Amino acid sequence: GEDVEQSLFLSVREGDSSVINCTYTDSSSTYLYWYKQEPGAGLQLLTYIFSNMDMKQDQRLTVLLNKKDKHLSLRIADTQTGDSAIYFCAETFTGNTPLVFGKGTRLSVIA
Amino acid sequence: AAGVIQSPRHLIKEKRETATLKCYPIPRHDTVYWYQQGPGQDPQFLISFYEKMQSDKGSIPDRFSAQQFSDYHSELNMSSLELGDSALYFCASSSQGQGANQETQYFGPGTRLLVL
Repeated sequence: GEDVEQSLFLSVREGDSSVINCTYTDSSSTYLYWYKQEPGAGLQLLTYIFSNMDMKQDQRLTVLLNKKDKHLSLRIADTQTGDSAIYFCAETFTGNTPLVFGKGTRLSVIA
Repeated sequence: AAGVIQSPRHLIKEKRETATLKCYPIPRHDTVYWYQQGPGQDPQFLISFYEKMQSDKGSIPDRFSAQQFSDYHSELNMSSLELGDSALYFCASSSQGQGANQETQYFGPGTRLLVL
C-alpha cells in the first residue's frame, strides 16, 4: 500500500536554508506535491514535480526527486519567519486520483 | 483568480445531528474531492466526483454521503454525527485531462466542524 513519510519537526534560523524530506513507497506515483498549511488555515499548493523530473526550481523553492530511492525534498532558500508552517508532501498516481499525504513537517523559523 | 469556495467556514453541531457542507470548485474544474483532517493529522481522502459521478472512494463512513450537481458544486452530507467527526473538512477541485497544471488539486479554505 501507499505510505508517505516525513520527519515531524524542523527548526532553522531566519536567513538559513531549510530542507524538508519525504519518502514514498508507491513507485507508480506520477505526481508529487508540496503543500503548506499555516495554523488554522487551508492547504496552499507550493509546487509539484513529475516523476520523470529530477529537479524543479521556483524562486526560493527547489524540489529534488530521487526516484530510485523514492525520496523527495523541498529546499527553501533564505527562510523567513513567514515560512513557519506545516509542510505536507503528497503523491498521486495521476493528476486526478486522490492525494496521499505524509504526516507533515512542522517548520519553525527562529528570528 | 477564483479559488475553491467552501461553506460554512465553521459549524458547531451536537452528537446525532446532521450537517451539510458545500463546495464550489474553481470555474471550469470538473472534479471535486473531499478530505478530512483531524486535529494534528494529515488530510485523509473521503470521496471524489468527476462529471457528477463518483470516481474514487476512500475512508468515508457509511453515515456520510456526497454528490456533485450539474453546476459542479458538491455537498457532503453527514448524519448521526459523532464526537470523532470533529475535524477540518477540505474540498479540492481539478480539471481532468488538461495537463498537469489543471489536474493539480487546489484546496478550499476548509470547513471546521465541531461536534459537541
